Amino acid sequence: QKEVEQNSGPLSVPEGAIASLNCTYSDRGSQSFFWYRQYSGKSPELIMSIYSNGDKEDGRFTAQLNKASQYVSLLIRDSQPSDSATYLCAVRRGNSGNTPLVFGKGTRLSVIA
Amino acid sequence: KAGVTQTPRYLIKTRGQQVTLSCSPISGHRSVSWYQQTPGQGLQFLFEYFSETQRNKGNFPGRFSGRQFSNSRSEMNVSTLELGDSALYLCASSSDGGPDIQYFGAGTRLSVL
Repeated sequence: QKEVEQNSGPLSVPEGAIASLNCTYSDRGSQSFFWYRQYSGKSPELIMSIYSNGDKEDGRFTAQLNKASQYVSLLIRDSQPSDSATYLCAVRRGNSGNTPLVFGKGTRLSVIA
Repeated sequence: KAGVTQTPRYLIKTRGQQVTLSCSPISGHRSVSWYQQTPGQGLQFLFEYFSETQRNKGNFPGRFSGRQFSNSRSEMNVSTLELGDSALYLCASSSDGGPDIQYFGAGTRLSVL
């Protein structure tokens, strides 16, 4: 079983719609969860971090965490063509802030104008 | 505040050669992590340095090595290059305070011919 799994996509949504990106992880001891956005040919940039069960909102982005189900998601409201990118889910294993991040392979999102 | 700086941005090498990549973290950040990104494997953790000591290591062969200097700048070296080492090498720095967030540099794209 892969440690962090994401649907590779592409996920295509029309402009203005809600894009829903999902991620599951295998390590029950994981404590920190991150979503990064990566445009083609660029480096990953942090969108959201979440550490507690529930929802966390930042502008058009909402991260949702359910540790019991080992699942974290990212919702993008009012999707724009500029949101077209690969979204990487990253999980920090264990309880220590010093342990490495483990990344999923990413979901490619395409927002159609 | 300047971001994470990686040099060089692009490299072309031939099999059997060695290469050294450099990373300057965000000012005040003492943790530097290195990742290899390929289309097939995604982002894979190489190693992490903190206060000049390797704190974590991923599952890469000994041909991949690194070090960190007293000013937190880090280098990674790949010896006896193989075609499969062609990838985007990303460096990320963090302040190592609590659930730290990693900020990525632009990366070095290495092509091995």
